[in-house]
Amino acid sequence: DIQMTQSPSSLSASVGDTVTITCRASQGVRNFLAWFQQKPGKAPKPLIYAVSSLHSGVPSRFSGSVSGTEFTLTISSLQPEDFATYYCQQYDSYPFNFGGGTKVEIK
Amino acid sequence: QVQLVQSGAEVKKPGSSVKVSCRASEGTFSSHNFNWVRQAPGQGLEWMGRVIPIVDITKYAQKFQGRITITADKTTATVYMEVKSLRSEDTAIYYCARTAARPFDLWGQGTLVTVSS
Repeated sequence: DIQMTQSPSSLSASVGDTVTITCRASQGVRNFLAWFQQKPGKAPKPLIYAVSSLHSGVPSRFSGSVSGTEFTLTISSLQPEDFATYYCQQYDSYPFNFGGGTKVEIK
Repeated sequence: QVQLVQSGAEVKKPGSSVKVSCRASEGTFSSHNFNWVRQAPGQGLEWMGRVIPIVDITKYAQKFQGRITITADKTTATVYMEVKSLRSEDTAIYYCARTAARPFDLWGQGTLVTVSS
């Protein structure tokens, strides 16, 4: 199974900051990497698929990139509604494992 | 607007089974595929399995092999997941999530399953 290691597990940031979350795959997943946002009591919301493609309606301050097997989610100019937990997921091979999550909290 | 509507919360005894449903409100159901993902209280997301209705193919995470069954009813655009031999560790919110043109692009509202004696 491919393990997805996400870091950090939590971070504190202020409105307007740029935040970077990293996800490392234990083996290659080609470009089959997605990011989700989850708020308390809500279902996950899809943000990004195929490493860097934004789902419909997702603000352009969210972006994704890759270097080797290390994937990055960047949130530029953090907004109040961005405080949430973020998960990466590989969907290249079964099981489609998720990372452990990164909680973005208000500083 | 297309939605995935899941069945309501369940309380089950250890050793029993539960069957959760997920109905697509509209759209080309058969050409999509549907995943089940669960989230234990305060924990992360765990992919359990998927079904591709058009070819009736299922795939399960090894961890759940033999204990879960995912099915699809094309006539009612509904996907089901049954979990057998429930134990307390199965207490979680269970989500269905669709893959259409984009992966995991639409999620149900979640179904809380509580396993308690």
